[in-house]
Amino acid sequence: SSELTQDPAVSVALGQTVRITCQGDSLRSYYASWYQQKSGQAPVLVIYGKNNRPSGIPDRFSGSRSGNTASLTITGAQAEDEADYHCNSRDSTGNHLLFGGGTKLTVL
Amino acid sequence: QLQLQESGPRRVKPSETLSLTCTVSGGSISSRDYYWGWIRQPPGKGLQWIGRIYYSGSTYYNPSLKSRVTMSVDTSRNQFSLKLSSVTAADTAVYSCARLLPEGLWDRIDSWGQGTLVTVSS
Repeated sequence: SSELTQDPAVSVALGQTVRITCQGDSLRSYYASWYQQKSGQAPVLVIYGKNNRPSGIPDRFSGSRSGNTASLTITGAQAEDEADYHCNSRDSTGNHLLFGGGTKLTVL
Repeated sequence: QLQLQESGPRRVKPSETLSLTCTVSGGSISSRDYYWGWIRQPPGKGLQWIGRIYYSGSTYYNPSLKSRVTMSVDTSRNQFSLKLSSVTAADTAVYSCARLLPEGLWDRIDSWGQGTLVTVSS
């Protein structure tokens, strides 16, 4: 498969939990990485692999995978989490990378 | 701390070739652990992977762009470059260079340049 699909927009109330999903056939074989992108800024890696957080990323961010769907969960969303979130993985050949279309997260 | 900086013309005419260079500082482009990649983002749209290059010069290009893309690396200058030929307005985007760490069943893009907006217009 050559596509990763994300919902264009998701909203969450302040302090609540939100799940952002990424679907694609290649996710049955490979894990996703997740990037947070705030307006006008470069993306920042927040989750990679099975459920790994780079140094400095709050532990309210977590990742998981089930079947062809990868998920990014924010437990107790904060105002500063409002951003675009992009998933990234390999295609089914394993040689090329794919991005999802991105999900705009609004914290209400 | 690793830094990546894109440079090149901000405006390219239709049918011409877009050329960008990424200068890496704070780390060596010759590291065997990493690939170096280009990603673009059209205005208001999502990210698109363009391709990656290893310090040895081996490349993997997005199949949808492969016929128009050429990447190269200059280890002596700690730089890598992108050329995209026969551009159209659809190639207008913010182009970013990045460092990619493959780790078995996943990859990490752990460092990004700030990105540069390239506009295709006559």
